[in-house]
Order: sequence, then C-alpha cells, then structure tokens
Amino acid sequence: NAGVTQTPKFRVLKTGQSMTLLCAQDMNHEYMYWYRQDPGMGLRLIHYSVGEGTTAKGEVPDGYNVSRLKKQNFLLGLESAAPSQTSVYFCASSINRGSSYEQYFGPGTRLTVT
Amino acid sequence: QQQVKQSPQSLIVQKGGIPIINCAYENTAFDYFPWYQQFPGKGPALLIAIRPDVSEKKEGRFTISFNKSAKQFSLHIMDSQPGDSATYFCAVGGRSYNTDKLIFGTGTRLQVFP
Repeated sequence: NAGVTQTPKFRVLKTGQSMTLLCAQDMNHEYMYWYRQDPGMGLRLIHYSVGEGTTAKGEVPDGYNVSRLKKQNFLLGLESAAPSQTSVYFCASSINRGSSYEQYFGPGTRLTVT
Repeated sequence: QQQVKQSPQSLIVQKGGIPIINCAYENTAFDYFPWYQQFPGKGPALLIAIRPDVSEKKEGRFTISFNKSAKQFSLHIMDSQPGDSATYFCAVGGRSYNTDKLIFGTGTRLQVFP
C-alpha cells in the first residue's frame, strides 16, 4: 500500500499562473481533505470531500477549487496563484464517520508563488 | 476565532526529560482529541488519541491527560529521546460538531538534545 501520495512534491509558480495538485489514496477511504500549513498557523482546512462527487468548503477555501471525480483521487486547483498561496499543502484521507477520525496524511507539496 | 489553543510554541529538553505540551479548546461538543507528530519534510501522523470518557491514556512513552471540566488536554513524553524531535499538533473533532473535520492547534516544535 502506498497510502496517500501527492503530486508534485515541489512547484514554483508565477503570480497569475494556474496549477492542479493531485492527491491519490489506495486505502478505499471515503473522506479526503486538503490542508495548507504555514509557520505558526498549524494546519488549516481548505476543502474536503465526504465521498465521490461531493466537495465542501473548509476554513480557508478562497482562491482554491477542488474536484473528486473518482473515490481515490482528490484534486486541488489554483486558478490564479497569488504570493499568499505560498505554503506547504497536505492531502489527507480517513475511513468514514462511523469508525474512525484518524486522518492519514500525504508527504506534502511545497508551493512557492513569486 | 481560534477554537484550539496550543502551547508552548517551541520546547527544548535534554534526553530523558519529560516535555509537556498543552491544548485548550472551547466547544464542549468535541469528543475526540488526537495528537499528531510531524517530522521535517513529512506529513503529520497520528500519535495517540483520547475520548472524553477517560482522563488518561498511555501508549508507550506517550501519555495524554484529559481534563474535561477545564477543557484542556496535554501530551507528556516520558524519557524523551532525540528521535522524538518533531513538531506536535493537537486537534479536536466531534461527530456532533460538524461532520468529521478536525481542528488543529498551531503546533509545538520539540527539540530533544542528547
């Protein structure tokens, strides 16, 4: 089992460029999450999904869009990158509401917007 | 509004010491209190978690103490080792709060010196 994987690992964008971060999990988990991690701010939830075809906003959704067309994949899009979106992005997944809250995290994507 | 307050921001101890990290929360609806451990360049991973029906939980050298009336919980690391050097995040979650989202604290960077 690879667990949760993220692509790419690093990326540098110029202001106004767009990109998509890919998250994939092979654990058949229902729930998936996108977080950003900034110094002194902890992990803040951007968007999440409780199942294939569903998405919902988290704490800091502005400037991001997501899609969950397949159960195992969760995509995070930046349509017009801004320097404020420089961060480390983590994807996570969890089984379902009835059994466990444990979230399994990917290795992260370090994004720099210049 | 910060729903989880974590302290201290950083902690330095010598090998064998007992670092203690504290978290305070506001919403009494939370019923799941995990601690995540994150090594540099890696994603966070669940270390230990507690439910509010017990006041203490031990797993190896790691102990969570939970004070429901004070709405506080803490992580104790017994006989700390240099390999414990990492960033630790507390989090809160609850089925009655709002889906399965976790709210994370801002993190504590622990350094254990030989």
